[in-house]
Amino acid sequence: GAGVSQTPSNKVTEKGKYVELRCDPISGHTALYWYRQSLGQGPEFLIYFQGTGAADDSGLPNDRFFAVRPEGSVSTLKIQRTERGDSAVYLCASSLKAVAGDYEQYFGPGTRLTVT
Amino acid sequence: AQSVAQPEDQVNVAEGNPLTVKCTYSVSGNPYLFWYVQYPNRGLQFLLKYITGDNLVKGSYGFEAEFNKSQTSFHLKKPSALVSDSALYFCAVRSPGTYKYIFGTGTRLKVLA
Repeated sequence: GAGVSQTPSNKVTEKGKYVELRCDPISGHTALYWYRQSLGQGPEFLIYFQGTGAADDSGLPNDRFFAVRPEGSVSTLKIQRTERGDSAVYLCASSLKAVAGDYEQYFGPGTRLTVT
Repeated sequence: AQSVAQPEDQVNVAEGNPLTVKCTYSVSGNPYLFWYVQYPNRGLQFLLKYITGDNLVKGSYGFEAEFNKSQTSFHLKKPSALVSDSALYFCAVRSPGTYKYIFGTGTRLKVLA
């Protein structure tokens, strides 16, 4: 079946602009995660959704970052007033509801964001 | 605070030899532990997990990992390496009752023919 998809695959924007990154999780997966991966680093947790609500947004670096998942499926990560330090690959992952045993995350291919 | 350490940036091994990729962790309570692999130009793929039970867990592609509570380690192993195993490997940990995963910095495995 279809995996997690992310669009766009690449985004180049100018410093100060607003960007939206989209994630389409695997159908039926109620848990959705956003991560940021900088060069040479592991994925860094940003936010976790269970259904429509953000159950843990402790990884969002500041109030320029915001994410929504209004219908419990597609999610959008929004970054305002982008800075060059925001350049990274943004990963989305989904999983079945996080009950015992259902912890595997399925990752999308990522969106490479470059802020010039 | 949760943390994961992968002490080796790169591991080189000859094809057919056993391989080990190291991971140690720090977390309060009993951890949930994971290994993921990232091939070039492909997304992260789940390999295996430890939640509870047998300390030796088996996963995809012939990989296994051993949970050692006293040493707070979860090393990834494979008895006989293949050139196709060459990739970037990430260890991750999550504390029970939370949903935040902490990933290590990754270890690049290079299997030489």
